[in-house]
Amino acid sequence: GENVEQHPSTLSVQEGDSAVIKCTYSDSASNYFPWYKQELGKRPQLIIDIRSNVGEKKDQRIAVTLNKTAKHFSLHITETQPEDSAVYFCAASSWGKLQFGAGTQVVVTP
Amino acid sequence: KAGVTQTPRYLIKTRGQQVTLSCSPISGHRSVSWYQQTPGQGLQFLFEYFSETQRNKGNFPGRFSGRQFSNSRSEMNVSTLELGDSALYLCASSFYPGTANNSPLHFGNGTRLTVT
Repeated sequence: GENVEQHPSTLSVQEGDSAVIKCTYSDSASNYFPWYKQELGKRPQLIIDIRSNVGEKKDQRIAVTLNKTAKHFSLHITETQPEDSAVYFCAASSWGKLQFGAGTQVVVTP
Repeated sequence: KAGVTQTPRYLIKTRGQQVTLSCSPISGHRSVSWYQQTPGQGLQFLFEYFSETQRNKGNFPGRFSGRQFSNSRSEMNVSTLELGDSALYLCASSFYPGTANNSPLHFGNGTRLTVT
């Protein structure tokens, strides 16, 4: 089955700097890659997703890139703000099953 | 539009007991998935239901089971509870199953289960 690895597990950035989270997946059949943000005590919420026929997608300060050959995808957050502090999960969908990474705790310090 | 509703929010059970968790999907969503979230293991897929049929199952023992009703509401049952079953159980709904056709998952707030 699919295996998703996510790095780093924790990320501390200064407000205004960029944050990058990287994920790798094992199943070349995976075709859908969402990213979820989970604030403390709240539900995971979809922030951006990308399909395997697209290499990059951007939504305001958030962007995701996908390298199908290397089987890795990344989340980029620019101009980080304190409200970006949360746990971020990447996921890969293979054969209809969504496999999540272990999560990255992002802390944005003022 | 109301979001995904999970009940109860909190549960405390003792080892050996069984528990039933409930999930009401977003109106119009016919697919319901269940996930177990623990600090060490992240989000682990339990199973997915669509049109009252289990479409996919994760690597959990048979003590974990579920079902879906004709109105798309879903229940998850855990029998013979173990201490290791303590976790946040998240339900997610989508319009289509299997994240197909640009149908992302929408999560509920979860049920926090504590087994003592």
